[in-house]
Amino acid sequence: GDSVTQMEGPVTLSEEAFLTINCTYTATGYPSLFWYVQYPGEGLQLLLKATKADDKGSNKGFEATYRKETTSFHLEKGSVQVSDSAVYFCALSPMDTGRRALTFGSGTRLQVQP
Amino acid sequence: DTAVSQTPKYLVTQMGNDKSIKCEQNLGHDTMYWYKQDSKKFLKIMFSYNNKELIINETVPNRFSPKSPDKAHLNLHINSLELGDSAVYFCASRGTFAFNYGYTFGSGTRLTVV
Repeated sequence: GDSVTQMEGPVTLSEEAFLTINCTYTATGYPSLFWYVQYPGEGLQLLLKATKADDKGSNKGFEATYRKETTSFHLEKGSVQVSDSAVYFCALSPMDTGRRALTFGSGTRLQVQP
Repeated sequence: DTAVSQTPKYLVTQMGNDKSIKCEQNLGHDTMYWYKQDSKKFLKIMFSYNNKELIINETVPNRFSPKSPDKAHLNLHINSLELGDSAVYFCASRGTFAFNYGYTFGSGTRLTVV
């Protein structure tokens, strides 16, 4: 079945540091890939997405590139802020969405210190 | 207007009680989901309805029963609550093209069984 693997956290960085959160997936065909963010005490918000190989999703300074050859969708940001502290989830949506749901990774907690 | 709204936001109840969580979406989406997030933040699909038809029913105790009176509503009823049911429950919805555009989540219901 489909699966998503994320690096374990927590990831602790100083403000303005470079961020990478690794994400790899297993799925048949060409799924769509997403990053969701969950701020403390809140629900899940879509951060960015990519729907085909070599697509780059970007939002709020975050980027991720859909790499079919390495089945990866790593999240990056050049300069993190304290306000980026949250839990980040990588997820995939299969091509056949009929009877399948979004599959999530285990989440990576990011803590940014001033 | 909130796209996907859940009520209540917090629910504290005793073991053995029966409780319901309600979810409504005003996005015109056809498919709705219930996810459970455990204390380690792991998100697991429980149920999905497409236009009032149950299409995903994961391995969940039969004490959990979803009900969809129409495609804009998906409620979750839980009988004989147990300590292990304590979690955050998220409702989500997706439209026809969510393969490309992702899923929209509610803000969650934090259930605490004491």
